[in-house]
Amino acid sequence: KQEVTQIPAALSVPEGENLVLNCSFTDSAIYNLQWFRQDPGKGLTSLLLIQSSQREQTSGRLNASLDKSSGRSTLYIAASQPGDSATYLCAVGWDDKIIFGKGTRLHILP
Amino acid sequence: DAGVIQSPRHEVTEMGQEVTLRCKPISGHNSLFWYRQTMMRGLELLIYFNNNVPIDDSGMPEDRFSAKMPNASFSTLKIQPSEPRDSAVYFCASSFRADTQYFGPGTRLTVL
Repeated sequence: KQEVTQIPAALSVPEGENLVLNCSFTDSAIYNLQWFRQDPGKGLTSLLLIQSSQREQTSGRLNASLDKSSGRSTLYIAASQPGDSATYLCAVGWDDKIIFGKGTRLHILP
Repeated sequence: DAGVIQSPRHEVTEMGQEVTLRCKPISGHNSLFWYRQTMMRGLELLIYFNNNVPIDDSGMPEDRFSAKMPNASFSTLKIQPSEPRDSAVYFCASSFRADTQYFGPGTRLTVL
């Protein structure tokens, strides 16, 4: 059975720190993996998409890595800012389904 | 492009009533997804279409739920009859093939 897990469920860090969010999945035969950001009461905004043949993607202060063999992806946020406060979700795509993790609720302390 | 458009943004209805949620995907996208988000279960994929054809509806919870995509620019998700446990935020998303999914703002459904 395919599952996606995000730990921790919530995280608070002081502004300026670098941080890592984790996403783990069963069944390494994935098609792609996508990281999203969701602000309260809003829809999801795509941050980074990693295809199964890739190992990482970068966008500004964000870097997402993918290790299929260990069933893990990390989202690295450099020099965190209060505006980064949101819930971050990973979505793992297999040929026949897409499963979202429950998300990590991130709070950056000013 | 205006992005994915969903209507209504909020819907409050009474148990037993029919509810229809609407979605207009981004022009040029050929995949459309319907999701449901609740505190308890998180974000769940209900159904997705590829080139207007339903590909996987295994996430549709019951026969009370149905979805259609009559053309490339419009899709509906219908619940009939609605129940209080259907209360959730329903999102529509679109993509081009297996590329990045773009989400709409969601419809917050409350069934009394």
